[in-house]
Amino acid sequence: QLQLLESGPGLVKPSETLSLTCTVSGDFISKSSHYWAWIRQTPGKGLECIGSIYYSGGTYNNPSLKSRVTISVDTSKNQFYLKLTSMTASDTAVYFCARHGPHSGSHHDAFDIWGQGTMVTVSS
Amino acid sequence: EIVLTQSPATLSLSPGESATLSCGASQSVDGNFLAWYQQKRGLAPRLVIYDASTRATGIPDRFSGSGSGTEFTLTISRVEPEDFAVYYCQQYATSPPLTFGQGTRLDI
Repeated sequence: QLQLLESGPGLVKPSETLSLTCTVSGDFISKSSHYWAWIRQTPGKGLECIGSIYYSGGTYNNPSLKSRVTISVDTSKNQFYLKLTSMTASDTAVYFCARHGPHSGSHHDAFDIWGQGTMVTVSS
Repeated sequence: EIVLTQSPATLSLSPGESATLSCGASQSVDGNFLAWYQQKRGLAPRLVIYDASTRATGIPDRFSGSGSGTEFTLTISRVEPEDFAVYYCQQYATSPPLTFGQGTRLDI
């Protein structure tokens, strides 16, 4: 069945860039009509949608993160990625990747499949 | 940005009782594009209800969703021990950004 798995560093220094990978198994991003997303969770702000991407590369990002966020996709590797620049302590969170669903073809959809999440701590 | 406000923050019940969780939106959620998630400690959220009232795959029928516009409700009839968790509502009508409520903790 469809599974998502986040990977990346658990510790990032302040001002550095976070790079995370979400590996999709059980389906092909290039053949799926679903959007894919990054979401994070902090004790203070709760669940926050970072942004979404389609296999063609079209993205929708959270304006609160402005130009710090880049979401990209590599269909040949069946992976999508998150880059978040200028990390600060407030970016310490559990980062999830997820699939928009159960409908397809739009980011105006719930999240029906989630990865297990990866904890990222920002500290020197 | 649509702000979602959930109430109560914590709901304490015993197994077998019914739970009513509320989610209020700062503006109308078009298309009733609202979902509910269940999250247990250390795990990712699990989709329970989408489109305000449709149960997700594998969700027991004791879970039901209702509402429209700015007021939505998740009802769990006859709460089971495995239902004790934190529940979040989320709107996907207006983006960016898609937004979540702050959660309701269902406690024994």
